[in-house]
Amino acid sequence: GENVGLHLPTLSVQEGDNSIINCAYSNSASDYFIWYKQESGKGPQFIIDIRSNMDKRQGQRVTVLLNKTVKHLSLQIAATQPGDSAVYFCAENSGQGAQKLVFGQGTRLTINP
Amino acid sequence: NAGVTQTPKFRILKIGQSMTLQCAQDMNHNYMYWYRQDPGMGLKLIYYSVGAGITDKGEVPNGYNVSRSTTEDFPLRLELAAPSQTSVYFCASSSRDRGVQPQHFGDGTRLSIL
Repeated sequence: GENVGLHLPTLSVQEGDNSIINCAYSNSASDYFIWYKQESGKGPQFIIDIRSNMDKRQGQRVTVLLNKTVKHLSLQIAATQPGDSAVYFCAENSGQGAQKLVFGQGTRLTINP
Repeated sequence: NAGVTQTPKFRILKIGQSMTLQCAQDMNHNYMYWYRQDPGMGLKLIYYSVGAGITDKGEVPNGYNVSRSTTEDFPLRLELAAPSQTSVYFCASSSRDRGVQPQHFGDGTRLSIL
């Protein structure tokens, strides 16, 4: 079945540095990918998404890169701020219409002052 | 605009009890979803619905039931609570307009079965 995993369970970066969070997926039929941020005691918050017909998409301070050849997804956060501390999840979808998202385990991002 | 609202926020149940987790959204989304999140893990899909009167199983549906009588509400029912159902439950919704759209989540219900 589908499996979405992360290379690193924890990541610590200095405030102001750039962060890169990685994600591997196994279902080559997946056509939609999404990153969520989850703060303690809260539900997942949408950050950015990308469709399989793209290899890069940029938002405000965030960029998602998709490499379909090696089935790899990454989230880049520029100029990391203390408010970026959270657990970040990637998820993939291979369905049409209603999404049956498959989530990775998550990466905890810690910002050092 | 409240988005996705889940109640209650916390609940403790005894083994064998039943309860309904409530979920409501005010964004007029057709699609709604229930997930569970175990400690240190990602979310797993329990059930989903593409519209009123239509529901379907996700990855981990055993021990749960859902109904969708209105566009706004999507309650999740636990009939015979078991310790394995201790988890955080998240409800989400998404629009079907303009192709695939991101899911928006509530803040969860933290459920303990003792």
